Amino acid sequence: EVQLVESGGGLVQPGGSLRLSCAASGFTFSSAWVHWVRQAPGKGLVWVSRINTDGKSTSYADSVKGRFTISRDNTKNTLYLQMNSLRAEDTAVYYCVRESWYYFDFWGQGTLVTVSS
Amino acid sequence: QSALTQPRSVSGSPGQSVTLSCTGTSTDVGGYNYVSWYQHHPGEAPKLMIYDVTKRPSGVPDRFAGSKSANTASLTISGLQAEDEADYYCCSYTGSNIGVFGTGTKVTVL
Repeated sequence: EVQLVESGGGLVQPGGSLRLSCAASGFTFSSAWVHWVRQAPGKGLVWVSRINTDGKSTSYADSVKGRFTISRDNTKNTLYLQMNSLRAEDTAVYYCVRESWYYFDFWGQGTLVTVSS
Repeated sequence: QSALTQPRSVSGSPGQSVTLSCTGTSTDVGGYNYVSWYQHHPGEAPKLMIYDVTKRPSGVPDRFAGSKSANTASLTISGLQAEDEADYYCCSYTGSNIGVFGTGTKVTVL
């Protein structure tokens, strides 16, 4: 059974940093492109970032470019999102998502990040 | 990349059909046959319902059907059931990334 389990969310002050993790199981993690998608309270889904299988190719939404860094450790079957210079508008549930040829076939349950003083 | 446009809400009685629209441009929805749809019950993980415009993953009822015309994709739910009440999001490939979502439609079963 495919599982994606996010962790690392919490309350952080504006300007602070947080690192999210996503533990993957039930499939060959090293063969999958994976993404982060977020949903702010009362808002819709928004794509944040993606990484290819070996971690050498990444992409970011304009709203997080230069502040967030996506990475992966295929030996640990884990995806990461390092979030720096956090802003109130980064407050959201962050989902770890597996891609399968231009669509998202499995989603984690999400982890809540709250940026507030 | 701007979000794809979806109606804020649609509603229908049990057994009826509803159609959700998802409007983009020639650089996303209209340019590729890579539109997907996701059902999201609040507090749960979103679920893939349709991919590649018309394909249904295993386990998704055939009451759910996808289509596309020009820059607008559609999701039709036939024989509406109480458990279909949820938020629905479309998503399209953009040529460089897969990740532009629609604004979301809340489906209410009356």
